[in-house]
Amino acid sequence: NAGVTQTPKFQVLKTGQSMTLQCAQDMNHEYMSWYRQDPGMGLRLIHYSVGAGITDQGEVPNGYNVSRSTTEDFPLRLLSAAPSQTSVYFCASSRFNRGQADTQYFGPGTRLTVL
Amino acid sequence: AQTVTQSQPEMSVQEAETVTLSCTYDTSESDYYLFWYKQPPSRQMILVIRQEAYKQQNATENRFSVNFQKAAKSFSLKISDSQLGDAAMYFCAYRYQGAQKLVFGQGTRLTINP
Repeated sequence: NAGVTQTPKFQVLKTGQSMTLQCAQDMNHEYMSWYRQDPGMGLRLIHYSVGAGITDQGEVPNGYNVSRSTTEDFPLRLLSAAPSQTSVYFCASSRFNRGQADTQYFGPGTRLTVL
Repeated sequence: AQTVTQSQPEMSVQEAETVTLSCTYDTSESDYYLFWYKQPPSRQMILVIRQEAYKQQNATENRFSVNFQKAAKSFSLKISDSQLGDAAMYFCAYRYQGAQKLVFGQGTRLTINP
């Protein structure tokens, strides 16, 4: 049981480039989400999904796209990277029970730098 | 809007002693959940303890316990018998019942002095 896995661990992009951050979980969790962590600001929700084919925006969705074609995977796409997207990105998953997410478990994070 | 505030950016404690990290939150909801997460230098976010607002009894997990004061909207974390491995960033987080997202505080960096 690997839990929540994220790839890559580190990435450097140039402004305007696109890329996909990968997230997978093997716990059969319905709920998955993406957060970004910036210094002095804690973690902020980017997008989330309550099941395959269902996604919704969080607090800071601009510049990011997501899709959920399977229960296991929830990739985050940066369409045109900007320096403001330099951050550490965390994927999290949990059971989704009675209309709400249960305790969330986090992946190891991806440190992204946009030059 | 719900907010979570951790007023101590940094704390330090001697090994084997007790330390308390503070957290306050602002909400108009009555049913919600509170969490403490630990983030060591490895960057992994690790759940330390969870508290349901409807429970009057404070949650405990081995050396970790909370002081949950619902009326005061306060949720402090006490670490007893501090160990070197407790050194990390600690985040307080809130989620109200029915919501999908966690709201995090800014974090407190805890240093353990040998």
